[in-house]
Amino acid sequence: NAGVTQTPKFRVLKTGQSMTLLCAQDMNHEYMYWYRQDPGMGLRLIHYSVGEGTTAKGEVPDGYNVSRLKKQNFLLGLESAAPSQTSVYFCASIMREGTTEAFFGQGTRLTVV
Amino acid sequence: LAKTTQPISMDSYEGQEVNITCSHNNIATNDYITWYQQFPSQGPRFIIQGYKTKVTNEVASLFIPADRKSSTLSLPRVSLSDTAVYYCLVGDFGGRDDKIIFGKGTRLHILP
Repeated sequence: NAGVTQTPKFRVLKTGQSMTLLCAQDMNHEYMYWYRQDPGMGLRLIHYSVGEGTTAKGEVPDGYNVSRLKKQNFLLGLESAAPSQTSVYFCASIMREGTTEAFFGQGTRLTVV
Repeated sequence: LAKTTQPISMDSYEGQEVNITCSHNNIATNDYITWYQQFPSQGPRFIIQGYKTKVTNEVASLFIPADRKSSTLSLPRVSLSDTAVYYCLVGDFGGRDDKIIFGKGTRLHILP
């Protein structure tokens, strides 16, 4: 039982390049989330999904797109990376009802140069 | 989601009990109080959740007064490894609230 797995763990991009971050969970959770965390700051919600085929905007959605084609996977895309998107990205999942316990991945450290 | 207020930072010494208080004046009837811990370079980890009175597990205790407008996370006999950021979240996650929004948290620094 792997929990929440993020791929890749590290990445360096040049400005203007695109990439996709993958979040996979094997707990059959309904809700999934993408956050970014800048140095010394709290987590900020980028996008989230309440179920397969659904996505919604969080606090800081600009410059990112997401897709949830399969229940277990939540993809975060950067179409044209900018240095301001240099951050650590965390994915999380939660069961739909009766719990407040979210499970987080190990993070993806992204640097845009 | 209920707005929460917690201290930005706290210092304590090894072996002491640490209490971190979170204020949430507009908590709703169905809201639960949840605390997360985050070590550097790691994702947050669920510590404890509660609805009212007192909850205790192997890591911490959570005290919630009758009016539920605040809560206190208590860490018994802390060690250096308890140095982390602690987040207080209040909401009906998985129910009324879809979003899980983190505040700035409390940066706890344990001194030897």
